[in-house]
Amino acid sequence: KAGVTQTPRYLIKTRGQQVTLSCSPISGHRSVSWYQQTPGQGLQFLFEYFSETQRNKGNFPGRFSGRQFSNSRSEMNVSTLELGDSALYLCASSLAGISQAFFGQGTRLTVV
Amino acid sequence: QQQVKQSPQSLIVQKGGISIINCAYENTAFDYFPWYQQFPGKGPALLIAIRPDVSEKKEGRFTISFNKSAKQFSLHIMDSQPGDSATYFCAARPYAGNMLTFGGGTRLMVKP
Repeated sequence: KAGVTQTPRYLIKTRGQQVTLSCSPISGHRSVSWYQQTPGQGLQFLFEYFSETQRNKGNFPGRFSGRQFSNSRSEMNVSTLELGDSALYLCASSLAGISQAFFGQGTRLTVV
Repeated sequence: QQQVKQSPQSLIVQKGGISIINCAYENTAFDYFPWYQQFPGKGPALLIAIRPDVSEKKEGRFTISFNKSAKQFSLHIMDSQPGDSATYFCAARPYAGNMLTFGGGTRLMVKP
């Protein structure tokens, strides 16, 4: 069974640009969550989607958005990139949002 | 504010020794307490998890101890091995949804 797949693995963007990251959950999983990991702030919850609906949202500015498609694949978008957005962005999937969460390897975003 | 405090930040243990990592939480709505292991360049992987109706759970060399009244839980790694060298995160989550709140992480080094 394939794990959680995140693409791309690495990205370099310029300040002010926007970026879209993709996450394909484990087959059959309907809940997808996104996290930001930085050395200073650690692992922080961004948002969770379940059956194409955003169920929870973390304390991030509106520049961070996401969506989930009918096949449970999810994308997150960051607009007007800032240097502080440089981080490892992790996606996690679970069966129904109350079960074990499996993480992908993440997308390393560098903003220059 | 929902917080999970983790200590120590770093830990050095001799091979064969016991590694102990502690976490404390504030939000009594938390209902699920997982521990994750993360190697460099990888996403976090679930090690073991516990619910508050159980005081201890053991899986192989890994044991979680849970003290509901003190709102504290800890991870014990018995017979620590060099391959256990990684960063460990405790986390907490309310019953519904996959919104994990993570501790700050503990970098474990097991010396041969």
